[in-house]
Amino acid sequence: RKEVEQDPGPFNVPEGATVAFNCTYSNSASQSFFWYRQDCRKEPKLLMSVYSSGNEDGRFTAQLNRASQYISLLIRDSKLSDSATYLCVVGGSGGYQKVTFGIGTKLQVIP
Amino acid sequence: GAGVSQSPSNKVTEKGKDVELRCDPISGHTALYWYRQSLGQGLEFLIYFQGNSAPDKSGLPSDRFSAERTGGSVSTLTIQRTQQEDSAVYLCASSTGVVGEVNYGYTFGSGTRLTVV
Repeated sequence: RKEVEQDPGPFNVPEGATVAFNCTYSNSASQSFFWYRQDCRKEPKLLMSVYSSGNEDGRFTAQLNRASQYISLLIRDSKLSDSATYLCVVGGSGGYQKVTFGIGTKLQVIP
Repeated sequence: GAGVSQSPSNKVTEKGKDVELRCDPISGHTALYWYRQSLGQGLEFLIYFQGNSAPDKSGLPSDRFSAERTGGSVSTLTIQRTQQEDSAVYLCASSTGVVGEVNYGYTFGSGTRLTVV
């Protein structure tokens, strides 16, 4: 089993739709969780951290389910500008902060 | 500087030559990573530095690859006897190295695009 697994997609959704991505991880001791966004031919950029209580930033909601070892990202009211690859990042167990990036899920929002 | 700086931004080299890629992390960040990303592929972990600890080199694909981090700041990734399959974007990222619920994540440089011809 891979350390971090994501569906690579692509997810093609119409503007205004709600879309959700899941990411599963294998190390139950992981402490740090993030979603990153990567635009074509650009470096990844932090979208949001994922906390145990879940967190929301505008149209974006991230959740952590430790029991089932997955994190999720929900995007409401999709915009054309949301088209990108969304990378799940997990790591930081036992004081050692090495993280593992998922392969990313490609989202294409269509007019 | 305000962000992670990488140089050069682009490098074209002949097969068999050595190359050095440089990363200047955010001041005060103790953790530094090197990744590479081939066209259309995911991020591939290469090496991780954390403070004064021994680096995690488990991702280096062969002994042609090496990296060092001097004075806990600037890092250099060296590829010897480059091969065409080394062509990729090499990304550096740094972070505060803090583990826990509040974690501000990793900031990436804009990468070095290496082309081996």
